[in-house]
Amino acid sequence: AQSVTQLGSHVSVSEGALVLLRCNYSSSVPPYLFWYVQYPNQGLQLLLKYTTGATLVKGINGFEAEFKKSETSFHLTKPSAHMSDAAEYFCAVSDPWGGYNKLIFGAGTRLAVHP
Amino acid sequence: EAGVTQFPSHSVIEKGQTVTLRCDPISGHDNLYWYRRVMGKEIKFLLHFVKESKQDESGMPNNRFLAERTGGTYSTLKVQPAELEDSGVYFCASSVTQRGGVNEQFFGPGTRLTVL
Repeated sequence: AQSVTQLGSHVSVSEGALVLLRCNYSSSVPPYLFWYVQYPNQGLQLLLKYTTGATLVKGINGFEAEFKKSETSFHLTKPSAHMSDAAEYFCAVSDPWGGYNKLIFGAGTRLAVHP
Repeated sequence: EAGVTQFPSHSVIEKGQTVTLRCDPISGHDNLYWYRRVMGKEIKFLLHFVKESKQDESGMPNNRFLAERTGGTYSTLKVQPAELEDSGVYFCASSVTQRGGVNEQFFGPGTRLTVL
């Protein structure tokens, strides 16, 4: 069965510092991979996704993630944190067994950015 | 273009009562999904509609939960009777069908259900 592990339920960084949110998955076949962000009182918003092709994918708001098959990882990074990045971030996968429809989520990582 | 909307935003009910959650997908989206997040845990898939048909309901926890999508537009999720463990945030998402590609799911803000 597929699963997604996000290391660290809470991450705190200083404004301007590197953001690194970790995501590892288990899947018997290469899945599609996603990062979503949830700001307070809003729905989940897609940050970026990997399906095929280039393993480094760029998303909105300066975020990017790299698919590493050998490490079964899809870590999210941003070179310089901004106060507005404070939110909860979710890594998710989907696979062909579910027709690439069912999303399997990690438990989420809440990012705090302090001055 | 309006996004996915959910009603109500919050619901507080007592154990044994019935609650109905509503989701209005983005216009033209054939696919509609329900997910649930129990306190602090991962968001879990409940079910998937394609138009009015249930494509996958493997995540529905038990027969106290009934989802419908009459006419292939909005959907309702009824919990009857509600139990304490049903508390959580219920998310709805919708997508268009992309042949050969990934169906990007657009999420609503969720309904926070509290069962006392």
